[in-house]
Amino acid sequence: GQNIDQPTEMTATEGAIVQINCTYQTSGFNGLFWYQQHAGEAPTFLSYNVLDGLEEKGRFSSFLSRSKGYSYLLLKELQMKDSASYLCAVMDSNYQLIWGAGTKLIIKP
Amino acid sequence: GAGVSQSPRYKVAKRGQDVALRCDPISGHVSLFWYQQALGQGPEFLTYFQNEAQLDKSGLPSDRFFAERPEGSVSTLKIQRTQQEDSAVYLCASSLGGDRGRPEKLFFGSGTQLSVL
Repeated sequence: GQNIDQPTEMTATEGAIVQINCTYQTSGFNGLFWYQQHAGEAPTFLSYNVLDGLEEKGRFSSFLSRSKGYSYLLLKELQMKDSASYLCAVMDSNYQLIWGAGTKLIIKP
Repeated sequence: GAGVSQSPRYKVAKRGQDVALRCDPISGHVSLFWYQQALGQGPEFLTYFQNEAQLDKSGLPSDRFFAERPEGSVSTLKIQRTQQEDSAVYLCASSLGGDRGRPEKLFFGSGTQLSVL
C-alpha cells in the first residue's frame, strides 16, 4: 500500500530552526509537495520538489532524496505565525496526490 | 474571485438528511478537486474535474456521494442520506492547468465542516 509518514506533533522556540521529516512509500513518484494549514483554514502551497536536493525559499527550505524516499521541510527564524500543521503530499504514478496526516508545529515564545 | 470560495462554512445535518456543498474555484482554473479531511488527518481524494468533465471519481466512498460541475466553473458535492461517518471537513481545490500529468500547486478553499448528528 501507499504510505506517507510524518511526526504527529513538534514543538520549537520562537527564533529557532525546526526540521519536519516526511518519509514515503508510493507506487511511483512524480514529485513531493509541502503545504501549510492553519487551524480551520485552507492548506496553502509551500514547495514542490521533484529532483534530489535542497530548494530554498526565504525562511523555508525543502529537501528531497528519492533513493531514500525522504523529504524534510526546514523552517528558520521561527515566528509565532508559523504555528500550523505542515502536510507532506506525494504525487504517485497515476498523478494522484497521496497526503500525510500532517505535523502540528507548536511555537513557544 | 480572488480565491477558492466554499459554502456553507459549517453544516449540521441530521442522519438521513441530504446535503449540498458548493465550491466556487478561481476564475479560469480548469482543474477542480474535492477532498475529505477528517480531524487530525490529511486530505483524502474524492473526485476530479477537468472543466465540466468528471475524469476521476475513484475516491467517492459510496454511491451516496455525487459531484457535478455543469458549466465548468462552480461545483457542487452532494451527499444523500448522510451518516455519522460522513462528518468531516470537505475541501475544494482548483488549479490552472487541465493536464493532471503536469504537477502544479493547488489552491484550496477553507472547506465546509459537516457534522452529522
